[in-house]
Amino acid sequence: EDQVTQSPEALRLQEGESSSLNCSYTVSGLRGLFWYRQDPGKGPEFLFTLYSAGEEKEKERLKATLTKKESFLHITAPKPEDSATYLCAVQAGNTDKLIFGTGTRLQVFP
Amino acid sequence: SAVISQKPSRDICQRGTSLTIQCQVDSQVTMMFWYRQQPGQSLTLIATANQGSEATYESGFVIDKFPISRPNLTFSTLTVSNMSPEDSSIYLCSAQTGEAFFGQGTRLTVV
Repeated sequence: EDQVTQSPEALRLQEGESSSLNCSYTVSGLRGLFWYRQDPGKGPEFLFTLYSAGEEKEKERLKATLTKKESFLHITAPKPEDSATYLCAVQAGNTDKLIFGTGTRLQVFP
Repeated sequence: SAVISQKPSRDICQRGTSLTIQCQVDSQVTMMFWYRQQPGQSLTLIATANQGSEATYESGFVIDKFPISRPNLTFSTLTVSNMSPEDSSIYLCSAQTGEAFFGQGTRLTVV
C-alpha cells in the first residue's frame, strides 16, 4: 500500500536556525512529490513539485530535494513568518490523486 | 496555477440536515478532488470528480453520504448528507493541472 510519512511531527526553531523536514514514501511508480504549506484556517498553498531523484528546487529560504525513498525540505535561516504546517504528498501509479503525509508543524520564534 | 473559491467558508449545522459546499475554479480543469481534514490532521481524499463521469469514491466514503456534482469544467459541489457530529471537519476542494491547488476550505461544525 502506498504510504507517506513525515517527520518530525512538530519542530520549534529559533529565528535563523536552519533545519530540515523529512518526507519518506513507499509507493509503486512515483510520478511526482509535492510540498505544500498550510496556515491555520487556510487551504494548502503549493510550494514545489519534484519528479525524479536528484532533483532540487528552491524558493526563498526553502529548498526541496528528492531521493528514491525520501524528500527533504530544507529551511535556511527561518523567520517567524515561516511558521506553518508543511505537508508533502505523492502521486503514483496510474492515478492522479495525491496521497498526503501527516505534516510537520513548524514554529519559528524570534 | 488556478484560483479556487469555496463557499461557505464555515457553517454550523444541526444533526440530520445536509450541507452543500460549492467550489468554483477560475479556469477549466479536468480533475477536481474533495478532501476532508480533521482538526490537527492531514488531508484524506473523499472522492475524485471529473467532468463527464461519475465521481470515484475512496474507501470509507459513499455516494449516499457525500453526493458530488460536476456539471462543467469550472464548478463542483459536495453535499454532506444526514450530518452527525462526526462529520465536523474541514472540507477542501482541489483542482489539479499538474500541481493541485486548493480552496480555502469549509469549516463544518455539526451540533
